[in-house]
Amino acid sequence: EPEVTQTPSHQVTQMGQEVILRCVPISNHLYFYWYRQILGQKVEFLVSFYNNEISEKSEIFDDQFSVERPDGSNFTLKIRSTKLEDSAMYFCASSSGTLKTQYFGPGTRLLVL
Amino acid sequence: QKEVEQNSGPLSVPEGAIASLNCTYSDRGSQSFFWYRQYSGKSPELIMSIYSNGDKEDGRFTAQLNKASQYVSLLIRDSQPSDSATYLCAVGMDSSYKLIFGSGTRLLVRP
Repeated sequence: EPEVTQTPSHQVTQMGQEVILRCVPISNHLYFYWYRQILGQKVEFLVSFYNNEISEKSEIFDDQFSVERPDGSNFTLKIRSTKLEDSAMYFCASSSGTLKTQYFGPGTRLLVL
Repeated sequence: QKEVEQNSGPLSVPEGAIASLNCTYSDRGSQSFFWYRQYSGKSPELIMSIYSNGDKEDGRFTAQLNKASQYVSLLIRDSQPSDSATYLCAVGMDSSYKLIFGSGTRLLVRP
C-alpha cells in the first residue's frame, strides 16, 4: 500500500540553525501538506501546496518557513533560523484532492536546543 | 475561529464493550469529516471518513454525522486493548485546503 515517507525521523539542532525536513508524498497525489504537533497539543496546519505553489498557509507559517518541491517526488519544509518553540513533531501529508483523505507520514521529531 | 471540540478523556471501557467518541465543530461550511487514530509518538492514521449525514460502517467502526447538530461520532464495537490510543476528529471545509483537528480523546480499553 502506498505511503508517505519522511526523513529524518529525528533531528536535533541548535537554535538559529537551518533545518530541512523531507517528505515523499504518495505518488499519484497532487496536494501536499505540512502539519506540526507540539508535545501534548493539537495537530496544527502549517501549509498546503498544489500545482507547485502554496495554496494556503497558517499564521504559524511565517517568513522563517518555506516549502519546495525540488523534483517530481520530494516535498521539503525548510525552517531558516530555528527557535526553541519550533520543537515539535512535523508531519507531511498528501491527498488526491481537496476534501479528500489526507494521509500522514510517520513524522520528523525536531528538537531545538 | 473555527473549532473542533472533543472530550480529552480518558474514556475507559472494558474489552469487548462499545466505545463511543464524540466531536463537535463550529463551522457550518464543514464538508468532510475524518477520524484518525494516533498512538503515542506516532502519526495520525486514518480510521474513517464521512461526508454525508447518517452512519457509515467499516468493520468494527461506525462513524455518524449530523450536520444540523454539527456533531460527528465514532463507535468502536468489540473494543480491543490494541484500540487504546488517542482518537482525533478532523474537519475539512470546501473553502480551505487544511484539516482542523480536535485535541483528541484518549481511549483506554481494559483487558
